[in-house]
Amino acid sequence: GNSVTQMEGPVTLSEEAFLTINCTYTATGYPSLFWYVQYPGEGLQLLLKATKADDKGSNKGFEATYRKETTSFHLEKGSVQVSDSAVYFCALSGRYQKVTFGIGTKLQVIP
Amino acid sequence: DAGVTQSPTHLIKTRGQHVTLRCSPISGHKSVSWYQQVLGQGPQFIFQYYEKEERGRGNFPDRFSARQFPNYSSELNVNALLLGDSALYLCASSLGLSESTDTQYFGPGTRLTVL
Repeated sequence: GNSVTQMEGPVTLSEEAFLTINCTYTATGYPSLFWYVQYPGEGLQLLLKATKADDKGSNKGFEATYRKETTSFHLEKGSVQVSDSAVYFCALSGRYQKVTFGIGTKLQVIP
Repeated sequence: DAGVTQSPTHLIKTRGQHVTLRCSPISGHKSVSWYQQVLGQGPQFIFQYYEKEERGRGNFPDRFSARQFPNYSSELNVNALLLGDSALYLCASSLGLSESTDTQYFGPGTRLTVL
């Protein structure tokens, strides 16, 4: 079956530091890949997505590239802010639009 | 436009009781999915409904059931509640046009606590 593996947190960074959260996947066919963000006490918000190999999703300074050869979709941001503190979920969409999520990576950005 | 809405926001029940959670999708969206998120974990897929028919089901017991109404809103029902059913229940909607490229938009969730 489909699965998503992402680095476990928590990740603690200073403001303006570079962020990388690793994500790899196992899937049949050609899934779409997503990063969702969950702020404390809230539901999930779509951060970015990519629907085919070599696509780059980007939003609010975050980027991730769909790498079929390495089955990866790593999340990056050049300069994090305190407001980026949240839990980040890597996910893929398979049959019947079933979204399979990773365990989530908690990011804490300190001033 | 309004996003996905869910009710109630919070709910406290005791073991053995029954609960009904409600979801209204984004206008124009015909697909609704339900997820369970236990504290500290990623959401787990429960059901997907499209045009009032169940299209997919996750690895959950028969105590969990759902339905979708003609206006595309949906209910999730859980019978004989167990302590382990305590979780955040998330509803997501999408256009339903494509299995793999559609984006699901999530509601704020219903926090269920079973005592």
